Amino acid sequence: DGGITQSPKYLFRKEGQNVTLSCEQNLNHDAMYWYRQDPGQGLRLIYYSQIVNDFQKGDIAEGYSVSREKKESFPLTVTSAQKNPTAFYLCASSIRPLGTEAFFGQGTRLTVV
Amino acid sequence: DQQVKQNSPSLSVQEGRISILNCDYTNSMFDYFLWYKKYPAEGPTFLISISSIKDKNEDGRFTVFLNKSAKHLSLHIVPSQPGDSAVYFCAAASNSGNTPLVFGKGTRLSVIA
Repeated sequence: DGGITQSPKYLFRKEGQNVTLSCEQNLNHDAMYWYRQDPGQGLRLIYYSQIVNDFQKGDIAEGYSVSREKKESFPLTVTSAQKNPTAFYLCASSIRPLGTEAFFGQGTRLTVV
Repeated sequence: DQQVKQNSPSLSVQEGRISILNCDYTNSMFDYFLWYKKYPAEGPTFLISISSIKDKNEDGRFTVFLNKSAKHLSLHIVPSQPGDSAVYFCAAASNSGNTPLVFGKGTRLSVIA
């Protein structure tokens, strides 16, 4: 059945290492998004992509990178430049770019030690 | 500067009574508004939305009201059930301004049996 799959659900990394979070969707959605949730901060937009091979920075893009080589996939790399990487990361997609409801994956909890 | 504000971090309601969750926005370009429900360690799930051409949208126990002049919307849940206990996020988007969803910080609803 259709949906958005994020893997893994829990991820531990040592400080200074880059780590890539996976996001795959089989909903045939054009747009995909990455949000970060911190306690008391709500959901903050990291990056979004409206079509394949195109993406834009969100409000907190520093220390992150993305790629959109396939419509189904939008991986997020948390680099060593991200100062506070420990957070809950949420991937989402929507049928058309912007201005419509987005559907979320189950999230990845990243802990950097 | 926060564009979508949920000023009540938490709300407790007796089972069977009405829950009213509030949301204010500052960006007059926003023309599409949504509510999401989120359980811990899970992705948000879409609840209900409203376009700026309407002032009310109803879906079962959930009704969203929009007051454009006041830049305010509210979610009413009647009757409230223990399973409604979750964090509720208000989100807004602009079709004309081409912005992805902007989320508030959320309100934690506790429905007491």
